[in-house]
Amino acid sequence: QKEVEQNSGPLSVPEGAIASLNCTYSDRGSQSFFWYRQYSGKSPELIMFIYSNGDKEDGRFTAQLNKASQYVSLLIRDSQPSDSATYLCAVIGTGGYQKVTFGTGTKLQVIP
Amino acid sequence: ETGVTQTPRHLVMGMTNKKSLKCEQHLGHNAMYWYKQSAKKPLELMFVYNFKEQTENNSVPSRFSPECPNSSHLFLHLHTLQPEDSALYLCASSQGDNQPQHFGDGTRLSIL
Repeated sequence: QKEVEQNSGPLSVPEGAIASLNCTYSDRGSQSFFWYRQYSGKSPELIMFIYSNGDKEDGRFTAQLNKASQYVSLLIRDSQPSDSATYLCAVIGTGGYQKVTFGTGTKLQVIP
Repeated sequence: ETGVTQTPRHLVMGMTNKKSLKCEQHLGHNAMYWYKQSAKKPLELMFVYNFKEQTENNSVPSRFSPECPNSSHLFLHLHTLQPEDSALYLCASSQGDNQPQHFGDGTRLSIL
């Protein structure tokens, strides 16, 4: 069983729509959750981080965490073609930052 | 100069060569990381240094040898690599436990 799972996509959404990206994790004791955006040929760029159950909003981005379901998601409102990238979910499990695990990423395509 | 800087950006080497990758962070962070990113695979954590002390070695072959002389600099020494070691090698830093990581642009390594 993969420790952090993401649908590889591609997830295609029309411009202006809401893109919903999902991630599940296996370590029930995980405390820290991150979303990174990675453009082709570039390095990962931090988009959001969340530590507590519930929603956290930053501009067009909302991270949602449900520890009971071991589920974290990223919503992108008013999707733009420039949002087209691979989105990586990262989880720090029990054991601290030594135990950071990334998912394989979901490729998002925003269609103009 | 700000952020995390990696050199070189691209490296082509033979299987018998010895080379080193360099990473420098200008963020005042105390933890530094080496990752390997191969096509279709999630980011693989290789090494973690906290206050220049190695705290994690994820079963990485001995042909990869890290060095961290201080909290701002990190090296990855390479020798007798194999073709399957061709990948993007990413350096990251963070302020501490459970904090977001900031990535450098990476070194694209090709082994002939």
